[in-house]
Formats: sequence, C-alpha cells, structure tokens
Amino acid sequence: EVQLVESGGGLVQPGRSLRLSCAISGFTFDDHAMHWVRQAPGKGLEWVAGINWNSATIGYADSVKGRFTISRDNAKNSLYLQMNSLRAEDTALYYCAKDIGVVIVAFLAFDIWGQGTMVTVSS
Amino acid sequence: EIVLTQSPGTLSLSPGERATLSCRASQSVSSNYLAWYHQKPGQAPRLLIYGASSRATGIPDRFSGSGSGTDFTLTISRLEPEDFAVYYCQQYGRSPLTFGGGTKVEIK
Repeated sequence: EVQLVESGGGLVQPGRSLRLSCAISGFTFDDHAMHWVRQAPGKGLEWVAGINWNSATIGYADSVKGRFTISRDNAKNSLYLQMNSLRAEDTALYYCAKDIGVVIVAFLAFDIWGQGTMVTVSS
Repeated sequence: EIVLTQSPGTLSLSPGERATLSCRASQSVSSNYLAWYHQKPGQAPRLLIYGASSRATGIPDRFSGSGSGTDFTLTISRLEPEDFAVYYCQQYGRSPLTFGGGTKVEIK
C-alpha cells in the first residue's frame, strides 16, 4: 500500500524553526520527485517546494525562498522540509505529495498525497 | 508566475446534472501541463486529470478535461453524490507551480 506520512508539525513562535518529515512506503521513492504543498485554514492550495529524484533540481515558492529548505534521503525513504524564520502566514496544513513523473521527468502533477501535518505559528 | 483564475467560485447543482468548471491562466501553459484535483472536507486532494485531458488512475469517465493555451475546462457529465467537493486546477508548465483558487461544487 502506498503511504505518505507527515510528521513534525506543531505550535511554534514567530521567528523560530521547525523541521517536517515525510515517511514514504509502497513505491520506489528514488524514482520520483517529491513536493510539499500547504493549505492555510479555510484557504486553497499553495505549492511550497519540490525536489527531483537525486536532489539536483529544487524549486521553491517565492513566499518561502531563502527561509525553507527541502531535502530528501533516498536511503531512508524520507522527505524533509526545514522551515526557518517562521511567520504567522506560514500557518497551514503541510502536505507531502508524490510527483507523477518518473526519474528525469519531474515537477508535474501530484498523484499521491499524505494526510498532512499542521503548523501553527503564533506567539 | 502563472496566475490561475477559476470560475465560478461556487456551483450549485443537483445530482445527475452536468458540471462545467473553468480555469483561465494569465499566460499560456506550456505543453498543456494542467491538472485538476478535488478535495473533500477533512481529506487530502485527489488527482483527477493531468496533461489537461488524461484521467488519473481509477478516475471514472464521467470526469473529462479539455482546453489548451490559457483556457481549460473540467466537465463532470453526471454528478454523483461523492462529487460534491472543492475543485482545484494546477499548472506545472513553469516554476513556480501554481494552483487556482478553487471552485466549490455544492448540492442545490
């Protein structure tokens, strides 16, 4: 069974850091790009960051560039999002999502999603 | 970045009716790299259509996508009770990847 399980969310003060993790099972992790997508309470979807299969290609939304870092460990079937200098507007449910592309074809649509981990930035 | 505008914001229909959702891009979406998702309350989004018109695995054929360039459409031929949800389009032709603001399909 394909599973993406996010963890690491919580309540954090503005300016602090948090690291999200996504544990993957049920498919060949290093065949696919992976992404983080967030959804603020009651709002729509926002792509946050993506990383291709070998970490050679990485992209970020302008809203998080310079503050967030996406990474992956193919040996551990895990995806990460290091979030620094957090702001109130970063409050959202953060989803880990699998790219539909295979190996060199990346940054496409997202065919498998986790259930998300909630990040709340508040003093 | 490419801005996607979805319309209408809310669509009120009855089961069995046809739904037509629009997604308009601020710039041409290269290679028709346009996807559609739906999201039910408390659930993660689910991929319906990619490449503007290809159905994802397990998606019934009452869902169809069309369009090119800057104008795309998702059509649900006959609404089933489980289709009432929020629908999002997403472009992946150019980074940053972007989503539309969503169309809520609600029961009339």
